[in-house]
Amino acid sequence: GQQLNQSPQSMFIQEGEDVSMNCTSSSIFNTWLWYKQEPGEGPVLLIALYKAGELTSNGRLTAQFGITRKDSFLNISASIPSDVGIYFCARALYSGAGSYQLTFGKGTKLSVIP
Amino acid sequence: DTEVTQTPKHLVMGMTNKKSLKCEQHMGHRAMYWYKQKAKKPPELMFVYSYEKLSINESVPSRFSPECPNSSLLNLHLHALQPEDSALYLCASSPRQEGEYYGYTFGSGTRLTVV
Repeated sequence: GQQLNQSPQSMFIQEGEDVSMNCTSSSIFNTWLWYKQEPGEGPVLLIALYKAGELTSNGRLTAQFGITRKDSFLNISASIPSDVGIYFCARALYSGAGSYQLTFGKGTKLSVIP
Repeated sequence: DTEVTQTPKHLVMGMTNKKSLKCEQHMGHRAMYWYKQKAKKPPELMFVYSYEKLSINESVPSRFSPECPNSSLLNLHLHALQPEDSALYLCASSPRQEGEYYGYTFGSGTRLTVV
């Protein structure tokens, strides 16, 4: 199957620090996705990337689609306590009739120390 | 209404019980999904429904039985579960998307414990 290798597994950072996490795959992807999941909630889409080399921002979050189409990174600048959660990279595979199935990386658990 | 509502939020059941998880959305989405998430693991796809028809079953054991009675509702019927089936069960829905994926709406999940 399509394996997504996400690192690091967990991070403890001081409030105000920048954070970087990445995902790699042995296969070429057409779309890279970044999700955040908070305790007791379902994942929420943060950023979707569609083209090799694409760099997209969403507030303090920036993500890039690697040129080889086999990797992506997510940066969070000036972290705040509400950034705490698990961040997943994911790919979407078309499953017919307008639906998509998602495959997630193992996640990066982010803890922010005030 | 921009939410996917899942009930119950928590469920404890014995291995001989029969129970059902419910999922509801009123966004007009015609694709609905069940994902299973074990502790400290990512969500994993179980079932995909498109236009009320089951389109994908990811080799899920028959003790899990999905049902889509109409375009707004998705159920997951549970019978004779094992303790290792304890997990967070997430429902999601999405509008018709072709050419480019641009998102699902996930519910908050049902935390299931099998004793």
